[in-house]
Amino acid sequence: QSALTQPASVSGSPGQSITISCTGTSSDIGGHNFVSWYQQNPGMAPKLIIYEVTNRPSGVSNRFSASKSGNTASLIISELQAEDEADYYCSSKTASSTLVFGGGTKLTVL
Amino acid sequence: EVQLVESGGALVRPGGSLRLSCAASGFSFSSYSMSWVRQAPGKGLEWVSSTTGTSAYIFYADSVKGRFTISRDNAKNALYLQMNSLRAEDTAVYYCAKYNYNYDFDYWGQGTLVTVSS
Repeated sequence: QSALTQPASVSGSPGQSITISCTGTSSDIGGHNFVSWYQQNPGMAPKLIIYEVTNRPSGVSNRFSASKSGNTASLIISELQAEDEADYYCSSKTASSTLVFGGGTKLTVL
Repeated sequence: EVQLVESGGALVRPGGSLRLSCAASGFSFSSYSMSWVRQAPGKGLEWVSSTTGTSAYIFYADSVKGRFTISRDNAKNALYLQMNSLRAEDTAVYYCAKYNYNYDFDYWGQGTLVTVSS
């Protein structure tokens, strides 16, 4: 199972919105709605910020939203803040009921 | 409060073995699947293995299949990863994570570092 494809880096200025894409295949992202997103700060464990494509866990800012179209999922962060600077990973269930992560995207807040 | 605490990480020589442990608390451990996820230095996350609550279903990444064994002791609220025939490319921080039915990880441990080097 190959890793899902994410851009290596994205950047934006405070107050702007950015989108991080996550591209897979019909065997993973395109085949169901079990897509999640994680935020990871340096030296820390990942934190779940989106589950089942669009849902936010309790306590996660509503500036984080997500969607899916075909084999591509997207994470949108609006009203960008300095504290959003982190690595972001998508993940998806696979056809064999295992899990695959994206390669990760480093978000820089300019 | 959910807590996951990994232990057992160490420096080990190629071809060697190591057993990681994860102590869980704050939730009904036996009711949930659990997983190991690893992250090589400076690299991304890689799912390693998962087990359902009763260990009825176990899954492995192709990269570790035949070398790693996941297990759990529900009486002790503990998850394990037995790692054999270790290779340099197994060097990583290994995270224990609570794995939900919808294929997401809502709680993670702090990780334990495994270094495979001669």
